[in-house]
Amino acid sequence: AQSVTQPDIHITVSEGASLELRCNYSYGATPYLFWYVQSPGQGLQLLLKYFSGDTLVQGIKGFEAEFKRSQSSFNLRKPSVHWSDAAEYFCAVVGWGSQGNLIFGKGTKLSVKP
Amino acid sequence: GAVVSQHPSWVICKSGTSVKIECRSLDFQATTMFWYRQFPKQSLMLMATSNEGSKATYEQGVEKDKFLINHASLTLSTLTVTSAHPEDSSFYICSARETRVDYGYTFGSGTRLTVV
Repeated sequence: AQSVTQPDIHITVSEGASLELRCNYSYGATPYLFWYVQSPGQGLQLLLKYFSGDTLVQGIKGFEAEFKRSQSSFNLRKPSVHWSDAAEYFCAVVGWGSQGNLIFGKGTKLSVKP
Repeated sequence: GAVVSQHPSWVICKSGTSVKIECRSLDFQATTMFWYRQFPKQSLMLMATSNEGSKATYEQGVEKDKFLINHASLTLSTLTVTSAHPEDSSFYICSARETRVDYGYTFGSGTRLTVV
C-alpha cells in the first residue's frame, strides 16, 4: 500500500535558522506530491505541489521542496525560519485508487525559538 | 485562488442529537469532496469520498449510517453526524477537488465537534 513517511515528529529551530522537513513516499510511478501547513484549530493550507517538470518547486511563504526520485523523497526547505512558521506540516501524495484521495504523512510539528 | 467554506467552525451538541457540517466550494466546481477526521496531535484520517450526484464511498471502519454524506451539487457537500456520542467528538475537515488532479485539493477550515 502507498504510504508517506515523515520521520520527524517534532522539530525545533531558532528563528532565522534554516529548515528542512523530511518526507519519503512509496509509489511506483511519478507521484503527485504536496506539502500543507496547519495552524492549531485550522484547516490545511497548500504550500506547494509537484506533478512533473522541474524537480525544485517553489511555494508560498518562502518554502521550496525538491523531488528526488532516486531517494523517494520530497523534502521541504526554508532558508530562514520566522516565528510565524510554527505549525504542523503535512506531506501528502495522491493515492493510486480511483478516488484519488490524498494520503498523508503523520505530520511534523515545527516549533520556533526566539 | 480556490476557496472552500466550511461551517460551522465549532459546534457543541448533546449526546443523541444530529449535527450537520457544510462545505461549499466558492469559486470552482468540486467534482469530488473528501471528508477527513483528525484526532488531537494526529494526522488526517480519510472517512469518505463523494462525487457529485453519487453515493459516497466510505473507508473501512467508518459507519455510513452514522456519518451521512450528501454531495447534491458541484458546490455543496454535507456531513451529518447522526445520533452523536462523545466518542464522535473530533475535528472534521473537508477537501474539494476539481476533475483534474493537478488543479489541487482545497481544504475547508475545519469543524470542531464536541458532544456532551
